[in-house]
Amino acid sequence: GAGVSQSPSNKVTEKGKDVELRCDPISGHTALYWYRQSLGQGLEFLIYFQGNSAPDKSGLPSDRFSAERTGGSVSTLTIQRTQQEDSAVYLCASSPWAGRYEQYFGPGTRLTVT
Amino acid sequence: GESVGLHLPTLSVQEGDNSIINCAYSNSASDYFIWYKQESGKGPQFIIDIRSNMDKRQGQRVTVLLNKTVKHLSLQIAATQPGDSAVYFCAESYGQNFVFGPGTRLSVLP
Repeated sequence: GAGVSQSPSNKVTEKGKDVELRCDPISGHTALYWYRQSLGQGLEFLIYFQGNSAPDKSGLPSDRFSAERTGGSVSTLTIQRTQQEDSAVYLCASSPWAGRYEQYFGPGTRLTVT
Repeated sequence: GESVGLHLPTLSVQEGDNSIINCAYSNSASDYFIWYKQESGKGPQFIIDIRSNMDKRQGQRVTVLLNKTVKHLSLQIAATQPGDSAVYFCAESYGQNFVFGPGTRLSVLP
């Protein structure tokens, strides 16, 4: 079946501009995670959605970052006034349930801020 | 804070040999562990998981070992193949949180 999809696959933006990254999780998965991966580094947790519960935003690095999940499915990660240090691969993952189940990752969006 | 792994080491193995990738975790409350494989330009791919009530679990050509006494996790790959070349991440879960290590790069030599 279809996996997690993300768009765009690559995004180049100028410093100070806003960007929106999209994630389409696997149908029926109630948990959705956003991570950031800098070059050669591990995954940095950003935000987590579980069903209709309030999201866990504890990993968002600044108030320039926000995310929403509409209808319990598609999620959008928004970065306002982008900075060069925001350059990274942004990965989305979904899971049939939170915590003790494996996450299925999308291919990621590579963001480059010039 | 909790941490899983500290560095991004590189492991080079000869094709056909067995590989062992290690991971240290620090949160003794973690009760679920996963290994992921990430190939260049792709998202992490689930390999195998283990719950804290087990100390060993086997899959196809892979085995995960969990030693809760020393908070250590390992991934063993039998008869390593060129297609196994990738970065391998361990992750620990406690409650609803996942913490990923920085990964280990596995290079398979011909």
